[in-house]
Amino acid sequence: DQQVKQNSPSLSVQEGRISILNCDYTNSMFDYFLWYKKYPAEGPTFLISISSIKDKNEDGRFTVFLNKSAKHLSLHIVPSQPGDSAVYFCAAKDPRQKLTFGTGTRLTIIP
Amino acid sequence: DAGITQSPRHKVTETGTPVTLRCHQTENHRYMYWYRQDPGHGLRLIHYSYGVKDTDKGEVSDGYSVSRSKTEDFLLTLESATSSQTSVYFCAISGAGGFSQETQYFGPGTRLLVL
Repeated sequence: DQQVKQNSPSLSVQEGRISILNCDYTNSMFDYFLWYKKYPAEGPTFLISISSIKDKNEDGRFTVFLNKSAKHLSLHIVPSQPGDSAVYFCAAKDPRQKLTFGTGTRLTIIP
Repeated sequence: DAGITQSPRHKVTETGTPVTLRCHQTENHRYMYWYRQDPGHGLRLIHYSYGVKDTDKGEVSDGYSVSRSKTEDFLLTLESATSSQTSVYFCAISGAGGFSQETQYFGPGTRLLVL
């Protein structure tokens, strides 16, 4: 039973355009959501997060949107840059501080 | 820099042998976690610790044990390694200093191959 789903294993976007990565969850007890970026042979790097009481959080080129009624969150990257090419994981936190991760989306930025 | 290191970074072992992976942190974080990453599964929680000598199981804890005798070290032990435990193992920390308790920060990973 996958509680956090990233249904797109891969995504290709032209440099300078917007990248939109999606994530769905099923557990209404999740109270915090995070996005991580991962390069090969490195640990995941924290990117941006959002509390369940908010619907939007922005940090530079990165914006996360949360739709609680739909149990859906998305990460927008604009403009996309070649260095953004990586695997992106969404994660959801429960009240016991445990994270559940999605399976990841490989983003490729085309120059 | 969350001050987190993992050792060893790479290990090859044989089926049936015990293996211990170490996670070390320098920032007095309360929470420490062990994950494994496998293709098609993302990262899955093995065990976590919410204080010295306080640990709990995660999603995929069978075949693994942990210990935390001091704040800075969290050890993951495979009592008798199996080929299904070939994976990349990540340690994470949260909950101290200027770091958000909600956000986990990851170490560089340990690549384990069980032959």
